[in-house]
Amino acid sequence: DADVTQTPRNRITKTGKRIMLECSQTKGHDRMYWYRQDPGLGLRLIYYSFDVKDINKGEISDGYSVSRQAQAKFSLSLESAIPNQTALYFCATSDSGLGQNNEQFFGPGTRLTVL
Amino acid sequence: QQQVKQSPQSLIVQKGGIPIINCAYENTAFDYFPWYQQFPGKGPALLIAIRPDVSEKKEGRFTISFNKSAKQFSLHIMDSQPGDSATYFCAASIAGNMLTFGGGTRLMVKP
Repeated sequence: DADVTQTPRNRITKTGKRIMLECSQTKGHDRMYWYRQDPGLGLRLIYYSFDVKDINKGEISDGYSVSRQAQAKFSLSLESAIPNQTALYFCATSDSGLGQNNEQFFGPGTRLTVL
Repeated sequence: QQQVKQSPQSLIVQKGGIPIINCAYENTAFDYFPWYQQFPGKGPALLIAIRPDVSEKKEGRFTISFNKSAKQFSLHIMDSQPGDSATYFCAASIAGNMLTFGGGTRLMVKP
């Protein structure tokens, strides 16, 4: 979905390095999420933000941090990357105005490899 | 701890077959159950969703069956096509808040 973009699309880094994954959206949504996808484990929530001043930990936040720079931008940082953070990372957005129909719109993903 | 358990992990069917993917949940407070479809190299996208006040919902060739007492729901794909080959995720949420996803099912529909 071109309305949610992620950069970079692929990244290879080394253990101990700090990296940042960026997400931008043009959908005008207030809610943004970061997930990681691993085979057999589905999508697991790392952090989420319901508006610019709101940041919440998800199921697997250890080793990660986030920043909501603007309504349209939500970045994910790995402070000191480790090999078990090798995964596919997705950013998603949703509109609180839809109430209980919380359809989430996903970006194309970032494939991260930590050597 | 997975609150939504999905099976099978992978599934192969012939064109025209009816693949069935099952999900079970634990939290009875869940009140919204969507299915997401993911093609290779893409992010997941909403396919169909159901609320617990109905037992079945159809959209085209896709049907969700919901069994509230058993805390289970399933996705059926009628007359499956090779273009349906994708990974399917079930999910659940409470009052439109964060989604809890199942582990995913990789479906292959052979021509």
